[in-house]
Amino acid sequence: AQKITQTQPGMFVQEKEAVTLDCTYDTSDPSYGLFWYKQPSSGEMIFLIYQGSYDQQNATEGRYSLNFQKARKSANLVISASQLGDSAMYFCAMREGWGGSQGNLIFGKGTKLSVKP
Amino acid sequence: DADVTQTPRNRITKTGKRIMLECSQTKGHDRMYWYRQDPGLGLRLIYYSFDVKDINKGEISDGYSVSRQAQAKFSLSLESAIPNQTALYFCATSERPLGGRTTNEKLFFGSGTQLSVL
Repeated sequence: AQKITQTQPGMFVQEKEAVTLDCTYDTSDPSYGLFWYKQPSSGEMIFLIYQGSYDQQNATEGRYSLNFQKARKSANLVISASQLGDSAMYFCAMREGWGGSQGNLIFGKGTKLSVKP
Repeated sequence: DADVTQTPRNRITKTGKRIMLECSQTKGHDRMYWYRQDPGLGLRLIYYSFDVKDINKGEISDGYSVSRQAQAKFSLSLESAIPNQTALYFCATSERPLGGRTTNEKLFFGSGTQLSVL
C-alpha cells in the first residue's frame, strides 16, 4: 500500500489566488513527520515546510501552510497568494519515527502546479 | 558553491556500460542517500549510508551499488546499465538528529544527474 498519496497529478491556479495541494498518508507509527518539497523546472529539490505528528499547531512558513488533519491522515499544503514562480512539482513526504520504512523519507508521486497570469 | 554537488549533471550511456555517479558534500552531515526520480513515480530510495562504515539498501537497490569513500563522498554505480535505469538521480544528505528524535530530519539535495541509457 502506498504510504503517501497525492491524488492531483496536475493543478492550475490563477495568480494571486490561494491553492491547496492534497496529501494523505498511511502509517501506524504514532511518531512521524511530514514534509513538502518543491521542484521547479530547473530540477532541484527545495524544502518548504515540516509538520510533526505531535505538533499542536499547523506549520506555517511565509506563504506556505500545512493543513494537518491527524484523524483524516491528511497533510495538505496551502499556498496563499500564488505567484508565477510557484509553478513547479510539489512532493509530499513522510518519515516514520519508530522505524517504519527504516526511518527514511518516503515520497509521494507529486503534483504539478501551474500558475496562470 | 553548492553544499551537495553531483557529477556529472547529465550523462548519456549505452546499455551494458558501467557508470558511476558521484556526490560530495560540504555540509558535514553523516548521512547520505541516493534517490531516483521517474516521471509519475516520485522519488524512490536506492541506497543510504549513515556513516562511512554503514551502507543500507533502499526500496530499489537491484542493479545498483554504492561506495562511501569518505564522510563527504558517496558514489552510485550501475555495473551494467539498462534502459529502464534512465532517470533523474539525486544525492541527498541529512544530519544525525540529537536526542534520537528523527522525524524532523530534513534532507538536503544535490542538483541531480539526468542519466539516459540507450
